Amino acid sequence: SQQGEEDPQALSIQEGENATMNCSYKTSINNLQWYRQNSGRGLVHLILIRSNEREKHSGRLRVTLDTSKKSSSLLITASRAADTASYFCATRSNDYKLSFGAGTTVTVRA
Amino acid sequence: NAGVTQTPKFQVLKTGQSMTLQCAQDMNHNSMYWYRQDPGMGLRLIYYSASEGTTDKGEVPNGYNVSRLNKREFSLRLESAAPSQTSVYFCASSERQGLFSLEAKNIQYFGAGTRLSVL
Repeated sequence: SQQGEEDPQALSIQEGENATMNCSYKTSINNLQWYRQNSGRGLVHLILIRSNEREKHSGRLRVTLDTSKKSSSLLITASRAADTASYFCATRSNDYKLSFGAGTTVTVRA
Repeated sequence: NAGVTQTPKFQVLKTGQSMTLQCAQDMNHNSMYWYRQDPGMGLRLIYYSASEGTTDKGEVPNGYNVSRLNKREFSLRLESAAPSQTSVYFCASSERQGLFSLEAKNIQYFGAGTRLSVL
């Protein structure tokens, strides 16, 4: 069964706006990762946040983690057309495997 | 660097046919994985190999077999394909899978996928 669930399922924004998507999960985790998938391609790792971290930045990406609420958010600032993709959260628990959510599809309009 | 290479990219099978999906990585990674991706379901783990010589079942292993041929290669076999196996299959690799390994070693690198249709 899927551990993470993203919200919203789809998001459409104007170029230059910020995009925020959320991930909720069910059991305790070791770390949480976000991946991007462009249409017809494989997934690409974006950022990893450990269970003892609350916020992490990488370029235009900001990830937060609230273990008490079992949730994470991914913020993409100043979006570009190239950010059009599906975004997946993946949680890693003590059984060593990654569990992926169903993803959020982001469309950035020019 | 090629990274993770999957072959073939596309395949159409008839029900009952068999086929093997090939995956190779050139990053000297220890762990390799096979996932399937269906609309609205995200990725589900079929099988994984934590290290050369070991394989373990994932979330949806029924109807599949795997072989970790060597450190580079991890193949997925469908012995008797069924329409329910129509999906996009992804192979991935990571440097390590241990719980206490450095986080960077747990990041997974994905191939471009194999789009399989079973009629």
